[in-house]
Amino acid sequence: DAKTTQPNSMESNEEEPVHLPCNHSTISGTDYIHWYRQLPSQGPEYVIHGLTSNVNNRMASLAIAEDRKSSTLILHRATLRDAAVYYCILRDEYSGYALNFGKGTSLLVTP
Amino acid sequence: DGGITQSPKYLFRKEGQNVTLSCEQNLNHDAMYWYRQDPGQGLRLIYYSQIVNDFQKGDIAEGYSVSREKKESFPLTVTSAQKNPTAFYLCASRLEPRGSMNTEAFFGQGTRLTVV
Repeated sequence: DAKTTQPNSMESNEEEPVHLPCNHSTISGTDYIHWYRQLPSQGPEYVIHGLTSNVNNRMASLAIAEDRKSSTLILHRATLRDAAVYYCILRDEYSGYALNFGKGTSLLVTP
Repeated sequence: DGGITQSPKYLFRKEGQNVTLSCEQNLNHDAMYWYRQDPGQGLRLIYYSQIVNDFQKGDIAEGYSVSREKKESFPLTVTSAQKNPTAFYLCASRLEPRGSMNTEAFFGQGTRLTVV
């Protein structure tokens, strides 16, 4: 599976937008970009995923670069409950039987 | 309510003892997975199963064993051969073993195993 690179940590103020970057320069044409987040002492939860077009759901937006070598998870208004580790994962839909988690980005939200 | 349940939440065992962690799902998912997480680290895949009576080793299978006799259950045994078993263990499931866009994984709340 292609690798992803994320900053170790980021900090945001409450009620401000947060842009979490992910680089995946070796992405293949069949790799989907998935984002999960893990709150302290809990299992990860799905956030969003996409292939080429930008995606929106009730939790976040996913902006994918035109060359697909990077993407950005956007939280429109950070809350204290958004403090978590965010994982950017590539998954090949034809052979990706499991999700391969790296260390992710630890997001700190301050009041 | 549908979901994936791991039990117990906390588990303590003496060194040299085997211990089995439970994972049950009522989501009718085909695929199930076991991950291990150490402090400050990401998740590492131990075993996965795409269908009943079949499972495959992940990246760190040594010292662990699994079974998949029923679709809804995927127990993990941590054997005495696992050199450093103290960790946070997470079970997950997905609707299909391969393909399609909408295959998000659902995770349990985890079991924190401490071996003393």
